[in-house]
Amino acid sequence: EIQLQESGPGLVKPSQSLSLTCSVTGYTITSGYDWSWIRKFPGNKMEWMGYISYSGSTNYNPSLKSRISITRDTSKNQFFLQLNSVTTEDTATYYCARVRYYSGYWYFDFWGPGTMVTVSS
Amino acid sequence: DIQMTQTPSSMPASLGERVTISCRASQGISNYLNWYQQKPDGTIKPLIYYTSNLQSGVPSRFSGSGSGTDYSLTISSLEPEDFAMYYCQQYDSSPLTFGSGTKLEIK
Repeated sequence: EIQLQESGPGLVKPSQSLSLTCSVTGYTITSGYDWSWIRKFPGNKMEWMGYISYSGSTNYNPSLKSRISITRDTSKNQFFLQLNSVTTEDTATYYCARVRYYSGYWYFDFWGPGTMVTVSS
Repeated sequence: DIQMTQTPSSMPASLGERVTISCRASQGISNYLNWYQQKPDGTIKPLIYYTSNLQSGVPSRFSGSGSGTDYSLTISSLEPEDFAMYYCQQYDSSPLTFGSGTKLEIK
């Protein structure tokens, strides 16, 4: 079965960059589908951040476009999130997920367990 | 951005009860609406995609319906494992947006 696992620092200082890794097992990220990052803030609001496609193209939430980068390492079957110039408002639980799409369907079918990131000095 | 208004924000309910959670989009979304469940341990899974399609492995007590701007998730008879957070999500237009969540609590 497909499994996704987020990893990275749990604490980041304001103005620094947040970097997370999503390791995928059970499916090769270049074989198909899109691979996304989503975050859940304290208070339950959820935000889609962006995705990288199986071919390597990216699509970002415009609200983050100047700060976000999603890349991948196909040799390790991993994809990455970098968010620059973080503030305390970026404190959230970060999830990676696979996007399943076909014939009008488009949804996140497999999710990682999430990793909590706190932005604080 | 399309705003998704989800109601109620919390709902006390009893085992065996039938419950419905609503999601209203700020504009028509052509049935491009999904539902997710988040358990207390943080794990998230899809329940319903494209308004009414049951994700593989999800019990048949879950169902989805709706059209235009108004959508709903119904649980026909609550089981103990259903007490969780529920989110709707639209994919009619970018950026994808989520509802604010509904916490289903034991009455």
